[in-house]
Amino acid sequence: DGGITQSPKYLFRKEGQNVTLSCEQNLNHDAMYWYRQDPGQGLRLIYYSQIVNDFQKGDIAEGYSVSREKKESFPLTVTSAQKNPTAFYLCASTVGGSSTDTQYFGPGTRLTVL
Amino acid sequence: DAKTTQPPSMDCAEGRAANLPCNHSTISGNEYVYWYRQIHSQGPQYIIHGLKNNETNEMASLIITEDRKSSTLILPHATLRDTAVYYCIVLTTDSWGKFQFGAGTQVVVTP
Repeated sequence: DGGITQSPKYLFRKEGQNVTLSCEQNLNHDAMYWYRQDPGQGLRLIYYSQIVNDFQKGDIAEGYSVSREKKESFPLTVTSAQKNPTAFYLCASTVGGSSTDTQYFGPGTRLTVL
Repeated sequence: DAKTTQPPSMDCAEGRAANLPCNHSTISGNEYVYWYRQIHSQGPQYIIHGLKNNETNEMASLIITEDRKSSTLILPHATLRDTAVYYCIVLTTDSWGKFQFGAGTQVVVTP
């Protein structure tokens, strides 16, 4: 089955530790995205990548880093510089390079920093 | 990009039509209207989108007013599985980084 996988579903880390969230897609989509969602709120864009080896900051990129070495993979690292990292993280992809392409989302990773 | 305004919540009886409004009074001519929904603790799911004309698919219908300043998403026969947060979004083809999800409308379908 084609889709987006995110792992793990739940992640716990101690304050001050970096943590990397996985996002893999087998849809052959060009563009991939990372969003953050806090309780009762909408999604906020962290980073996006239109093609391999290229990515752009979204609205809340501070304290996060990404890489896009392969078309199917777009891992997100939450660094110790992120002041309030506890949140629900969602990865998405679109088939082409237009921002109006339908976004397909993964199941999300819930990160809790203790 | 145009901002959208949606009611924070609404209830709907199972089997009845659910009509979800969205105001986008500052929408420009090249901005599309998109609807997504998010069931609790899952990733959002695409529902439908349109530019000027009304659209229908297997999930819903989208009615856009002639002046394009508002739209309505219609779920024709709501089921309990339609309970979710529904997001109305407007964007252009060059809106990279602007695909913004607001707070949406929490729809609760009751038996």
